[in-house]
Amino acid sequence: EIVMTQSPATLSVSPGERATLSCRASQSVSSNLAWYQQKPGQAPRLLIYGASTRATGIPARFSGSGSGTEFTLTISSLQSEDFAVYYCQQYNNWPPMTFGQGTKVKIK
Amino acid sequence: QVQLVQSGAEVKKPGASVKVSCEASGYTFTSYYMHWVRQAPGQGLEWLGILNPSVGSTSYAQKFQGRVTLTRHTSTSTVYMELSSLISEDTAVYYCARGAAAGNPYFDSWGQGTLVTVSS
Repeated sequence: EIVMTQSPATLSVSPGERATLSCRASQSVSSNLAWYQQKPGQAPRLLIYGASTRATGIPARFSGSGSGTEFTLTISSLQSEDFAVYYCQQYNNWPPMTFGQGTKVKIK
Repeated sequence: QVQLVQSGAEVKKPGASVKVSCEASGYTFTSYYMHWVRQAPGQGLEWLGILNPSVGSTSYAQKFQGRVTLTRHTSTSTVYMELSSLISEDTAVYYCARGAAAGNPYFDSWGQGTLVTVSS
């Protein structure tokens, strides 16, 4: 089973600033990585797939990069609605699909 | 638009089973795989299994093998997740999530979630 490790666990950012979230895989997952956003009491929402392709309707301030074992989600200028928990998910080697433990982005 | 509507919250005793439904609309039901993911209180996401609605084939996470069963009714575009031999650690929100097109196993639409509470 591939283990996904996200860092940091919590990120404090001021509105308008850039946020950089990391996700590391225990072995290569090629570009088969997705990012999700989850707000309290809501289901996750797909942001990025294929490591760098934005899902339908996702604003351009969200961008993904990386391949192999190291991935990054960048939010270029944080808006109030972006404060949430973010999860990465690998779908290269499955079953099982595996997720990172999440990064909480909070207001500084 | 794509909608996945799940059944309501459940409270079960240890050792019992629970069956959660997920009714799909807004797309061709048999053209997209359906997954189930759970989230324990304050915790991350955990994948349980996948169903191919077209033929009914399934694959499960090894952790849940023998305890989880995914089925479907194509006539009502509904997928079911049954989890047996419940323990307190099964207390979680259970989500159905549609796999993206072309069999890609990331999740482009999610149900609203069903809270399953296991308590004596």
